[in-house]
Amino acid sequence: KQEVTQIPAALSVPEGENLVLNCSFTDSAIYNLQWFRQDPGKGLTSLLLIQSSQREQTSGRLNASLDKSSGRSTLYIAASQPGDSATYLCAFSGNTGKLIFGQGTTLQVKP
Amino acid sequence: DAGVIQSPRHEVTEMGQEVTLRCKPISGHNSLFWYRQTMMRGLELLIYFNNNVPIDDSGMPEDRFSAKMPNASFSTLKIQPSEPRDSAVYFCASSLARLAGEQYFGPGTRLTVT
Repeated sequence: KQEVTQIPAALSVPEGENLVLNCSFTDSAIYNLQWFRQDPGKGLTSLLLIQSSQREQTSGRLNASLDKSSGRSTLYIAASQPGDSATYLCAFSGNTGKLIFGQGTTLQVKP
Repeated sequence: DAGVIQSPRHEVTEMGQEVTLRCKPISGHNSLFWYRQTMMRGLELLIYFNNNVPIDDSGMPEDRFSAKMPNASFSTLKIQPSEPRDSAVYFCASSLARLAGEQYFGPGTRLTVT
């Protein structure tokens, strides 16, 4: 059974710090991996999608990497801001097409 | 684009009652997904449709749950009869691709069954 694990579960940092969120998955037959942001009481917003043939994707201050051999993905946030405070979820997609979500990392960026 | 639209946003009902959740996907998207989110189990896929046809309903927890997609612009998730353990946030998402395309989520329906 595919499992997706996110570490840490919660993170609190001062504004301006660079930070890394980790996601690991057990199935190497990956189709793609997606990172989402969820604000309290809201739906999910897609941040980045990495296809299995790619190693990383970048959008603004966000960079996501994918290492299929080790079953890991990281989300790097540069120069964090209080507006980045949210829960970040990674989701694995294998050959079934289903998204399997991690439990998320709740980030708080303090001004 | 209005994005994925879900209604109602909040639903409070008594155990045993029928609950119907509604979703309008993004125009032009041909895949639609229903998810459930709880603190204990996180986000789980319940069912997904491609071109209005149910492709995989293995995540539907029990026969009390049913989903339909009568046309490309509307889907329903029905729970009958509802139970307190069904309390959760239910999300609908749509995508251009059948398999693992980028998914766009609605705001969710928060269901409370008392």
